[in-house]
Amino acid sequence: IQLTQSPSSLSASVGERVTITCRASQGISSYLAWYQQKPGKAPKLLIYAASTLQTGVPSRFSGSGSGTDFTLTISSLQPEDFATYYCQQFNNYPRTFGQGTKVEVK
Amino acid sequence: QVQLVQSGAEVKKPGASVKVSCKASGYMFTSYFMHWVRQAPGQGLEWMGITKTSGGATTYAQKFEGRVTVTSDTSTSTVYLELRSLTSEDTAVYYCAREAASRRDGFKFDEWGQGTLVTVSS
Repeated sequence: IQLTQSPSSLSASVGERVTITCRASQGISSYLAWYQQKPGKAPKLLIYAASTLQTGVPSRFSGSGSGTDFTLTISSLQPEDFATYYCQQFNNYPRTFGQGTKVEVK
Repeated sequence: QVQLVQSGAEVKKPGASVKVSCKASGYMFTSYFMHWVRQAPGQGLEWMGITKTSGGATTYAQKFEGRVTVTSDTSTSTVYLELRSLTSEDTAVYYCAREAASRRDGFKFDEWGQGTLVTVSS
């Protein structure tokens, strides 16, 4: 299963609403997770089962979708949110990742 | 607290092998699968394989079949990744990441190791 994220990068300002999409090459039900990665650090789990917020993750992060189309939304971008975001599917093996979306300062 | 602590950076010559370890603590080791994911410099995340720590079953990405072995030692709560016949294309940071074995709590990598840089250079 291939996951295609869009856009590959985006520029945004603090306070803006940001939306990242992830499209699967075939249906994966809700077996999708989202991660945030900052330079030199391991990825951090944000969302699993497409829309469930991981404990401790701020509520400005939300996920939606099922089947082949998924969305990660940051309702009001904060300075600490500038990072790269990855989706990952758990429908089958291999556990593929999207290519990543880099969120940069505008 | 839950920790996955990986072994230190490695420098290897082309054709050599490398073995990276991931020591788990703070939870019941056999209640979680362990995956390996790598990230080449400036690139995205690439899933390599999984070991089911209770029983030792493994599944690998086709790309690495025949060249990779993942093992686990329940006595020390440690998982190992061995990659053979290294080329410069294997230069990357290698991460271990856990996934709950239960269907109710699985389908997410909720804890990651700190990463191990493997550099392949002549």
